[in-house]
Amino acid sequence: EDQVTQSPEALRLQEGESSSLNCSYTVSGLRGLFWYRQDPGKGPEFLFTLYSAGEEKEKERLKATLTKKESFLHITAPKPEDSATYLCAVQAQGGSEKLVFGKGTKLTVNP
Amino acid sequence: GAVVSQHPSRVICKSGTSVKIECRSLDFQATTMFWYRQFPKQSLMLMATSNEGSKATYEQGVEKDKFLINHASLTLSTLTVTSAHPEDSSFYICSAIHRDLEQYFGPGTRLTVT
Repeated sequence: EDQVTQSPEALRLQEGESSSLNCSYTVSGLRGLFWYRQDPGKGPEFLFTLYSAGEEKEKERLKATLTKKESFLHITAPKPEDSATYLCAVQAQGGSEKLVFGKGTKLTVNP
Repeated sequence: GAVVSQHPSRVICKSGTSVKIECRSLDFQATTMFWYRQFPKQSLMLMATSNEGSKATYEQGVEKDKFLINHASLTLSTLTVTSAHPEDSSFYICSAIHRDLEQYFGPGTRLTVT
């Protein structure tokens, strides 16, 4: 069974304090790994898709990396507006386009 | 690009009535859409996969007769919660497949059944 585990569950940072969120996964053949940001009461906002180990993608203060077992979302010099829940999801090979989500990491950035 | 809308954003209905939620891909065509449910402080739970022109595929434990899904066009899927009860109160979110596997989500619909 495909599984995604995110850690930590919650993270509090001071503005400017860089850190990383972890997403560990087990999947029967990875087709893609996805990162989303979700604000309270809203749908997830697409951030990145990673397809193969060694791949990296960046967007503003965020950088996502991928290995064969896990992915990291690095947040550099975060700002209060980066506060949100960050969700990781995997899609397995084999035809289905379903995503399996982790429980998310709730990030709070204090000014 | 890749915008997905949902309507309504909030709905309150009485127990026993039915509610329809619309999901639209605004600037792209989507042969596949998904419906999720999210409880407070929980992650997304996939309910069903909606395929244009064919029957939806439901996840285990999801009642097909209660949650009716119709994907009549390449830009519209609907979820109808039939004979709603208070335990159906939740946040319902749809998503649509854009190019290269990217799945874009709608803003969600908050359903409250009284």
